[in-house]
Amino acid sequence: ETGVTQTPRHLVMGMTNKKSLKCEQHLGHNAMYWYKQSAKKPLELMFVYNFKEQTENNSVPSRFSPECPNSSHLFLHLHTLQPEDSALYLCASSRGGTDTEAFFGQGTRLTVV
Amino acid sequence: AQSVTQPDIHITVSEGASLELRCNYSYGATPYLFWYVQSPGQGLQLLLKYFSGDTLVQGIKGFEAEFKRSQSSFNLRKPSVHWSDAAEYFCAVGASGNKLVFGAGTILRVKS
Repeated sequence: ETGVTQTPRHLVMGMTNKKSLKCEQHLGHNAMYWYKQSAKKPLELMFVYNFKEQTENNSVPSRFSPECPNSSHLFLHLHTLQPEDSALYLCASSRGGTDTEAFFGQGTRLTVV
Repeated sequence: AQSVTQPDIHITVSEGASLELRCNYSYGATPYLFWYVQSPGQGLQLLLKYFSGDTLVQGIKGFEAEFKRSQSSFNLRKPSVHWSDAAEYFCAVGASGNKLVFGAGTILRVKS
């Protein structure tokens, strides 16, 4: 149990579908992150939220839309994805400020067909 | 900009042998450094971290790492590897903007 919970663990979606990934942290942290992990590629930071405000968008295509309604919850809304978007999507949280120690969820394995 | 290099993509060691995974970083100030481990299909678990003080840090599962400023390195070590240590290991540095910059990872295989 890491304190960061991601749902669903696995998702298969068609290119015309709309789906959402959910992340919830029970650690009282102020910063939350989305990472993408593809086979044979380094971890890619997608978005950073601090105190519910987006502070980084790492040139992510608009078909990925994050939402952070409060410091405990983070969503990633997906629409009209491409097969190359298939990957493990990891959510993480940290206390924020200068403390960058991140706690990760188990990830959502996304397959786009 | 901050960066992390893990020069070894794959490493294979025999069970019971010692292990050292290399990590070099690029950062202007005193870095916050981390090692994470990832089992297949799982998230990342923190093994250990260095913020300041003693340059030899102890972590979970018998791992340790040594910060060497002169070499810009933060190598991970374990004196005796167990088959359950087979996983992918990531070195990371804390970067401005309240985020971590990760290396590409090293896949550890353990042979019996």
